Amino acid sequence: EPEVTQTPSHQVTQMGQEVILRCVPISNHLYFYWYRQILGQKVEFLVSFYNNEISEKSEIFDDQFSVERPDGSNFTLKIRSTKLEDSAMYFCASFNRGQKNTEAFFGQGTRLTVV
Amino acid sequence: AQKITQTQPGMFVQEKEAVTLDCTYDTSDPSYGLFWYKQPSSGEMIFLIYQGSYDQQNATEGRYSLNFQKARKSANLVISASQLGDSAMYFCAMRGGYQKVTFGTGTKLQVIP
Repeated sequence: EPEVTQTPSHQVTQMGQEVILRCVPISNHLYFYWYRQILGQKVEFLVSFYNNEISEKSEIFDDQFSVERPDGSNFTLKIRSTKLEDSAMYFCASFNRGQKNTEAFFGQGTRLTVV
Repeated sequence: AQKITQTQPGMFVQEKEAVTLDCTYDTSDPSYGLFWYKQPSSGEMIFLIYQGSYDQQNATEGRYSLNFQKARKSANLVISASQLGDSAMYFCAMRGGYQKVTFGTGTKLQVIP
């Protein structure tokens, strides 16, 4: 069964450092998303990406965040200058049109710890 | 706009018993999908079951079934024969059309031996 792959599974970084979280979506999917879950809290939408551009973003997704699909397969989330409150689980998801056109596939997540 | 409501912050169930986790939703999209995910303490999001709004039958996946009542806008998860390994956080989620997935606040299930 196809799956979304995220790397690394866990990243520890110092406050103020840049981090890049990587995702390999399912190959024929067209819609890509990042979500965040602060420990013990709700899963929050960050950004959606379609046709090589951001289609929607939340209030959380400020200038410190950016997304890219640099090579047609990877989908990355960059945080330029991490803050303590960026510590969370980050999930990537990809969707597609098709027979079950509302199905959603999530990666296993990257746990980011900012110290 | 989409909205998912899970009214049970926590639930207990005896091992081998069945348990129902409640979920109601609201959307203006005629076509939508409903999902349940399990999140163990390790943090990963494990897909359990999916129900499309036009599916005629309720979805089932092993011990998981989704009690889909479209008129009432509810999509409850039923876990039969609970196991200790079922102890986890459970999230109901939905996606309307080509919109983002919206999650509920989750229900923490604890299975008691």
